[in-house]
Amino acid sequence: EVVMTQSPATVSVSPGERATLSCRASQSVSNYVAWYQHKPGQAPRLLIHHASTRAIGIPARFSGSGSGTEFTLTISSLQSEDFAVYYCQQYNNWPRTFGQGTKVEIK
Amino acid sequence: QVQLQESGPGLVQPSATLSLTCTVSSDFVSRSIYYWTWIRQPPGKALEWIGYVYDIDNTNYTPSLKSRVTISLDKSKKQFSLKLTSVTAADTAVYYCARGVLSWGYFDSWGQGTLVTVSS
Repeated sequence: EVVMTQSPATVSVSPGERATLSCRASQSVSNYVAWYQHKPGQAPRLLIHHASTRAIGIPARFSGSGSGTEFTLTISSLQSEDFAVYYCQQYNNWPRTFGQGTKVEIK
Repeated sequence: QVQLQESGPGLVQPSATLSLTCTVSSDFVSRSIYYWTWIRQPPGKALEWIGYVYDIDNTNYTPSLKSRVTISLDKSKKQFSLKLTSVTAADTAVYYCARGVLSWGYFDSWGQGTLVTVSS
């Protein structure tokens, strides 16, 4: 199966600053990568699909890029509601697989 | 906007069968463009895709659980269910139900998740 490796495990960012999260696939997954935001006690929320397409209702400060094996989620100016855990997921191969997550915490 | 809600026992005995139900808030379960998925997250570990069902009898399961898992769909009740047999402590996890778009493999709506602990 395709292993998705996220880095860093935790990133500390001040409100208003930029956060850059990375996700690496163990083999090419084309652009079939999604990103999710997850807050404690809430349902995970789809942010990005097809590596760079924002889901409906997602603010423009969230952007995704990459193809093949290297992917990035950028949050351009962190808001208080953005502090959460972020997961990447590939859907090029079965079984679908997720990264371990990156926690974005307040600096 | 569709909402999904998991329900079922929070504690299951070792070697027993884990059974969970996901209730969908609308008639989306009747539409064949969606598939209905279970995902779990053991404590401290990554999310793990378990499998999906769509259109009643089309299923697909992750290889590591295929011999123990069954996912079924009840359109009349707007529910889909997960059964996992012969559970062990390794099956302790937060279990999520989610909706996927059939043409693609990402999940656009999720439930909040329910913790299932396997313990005697």
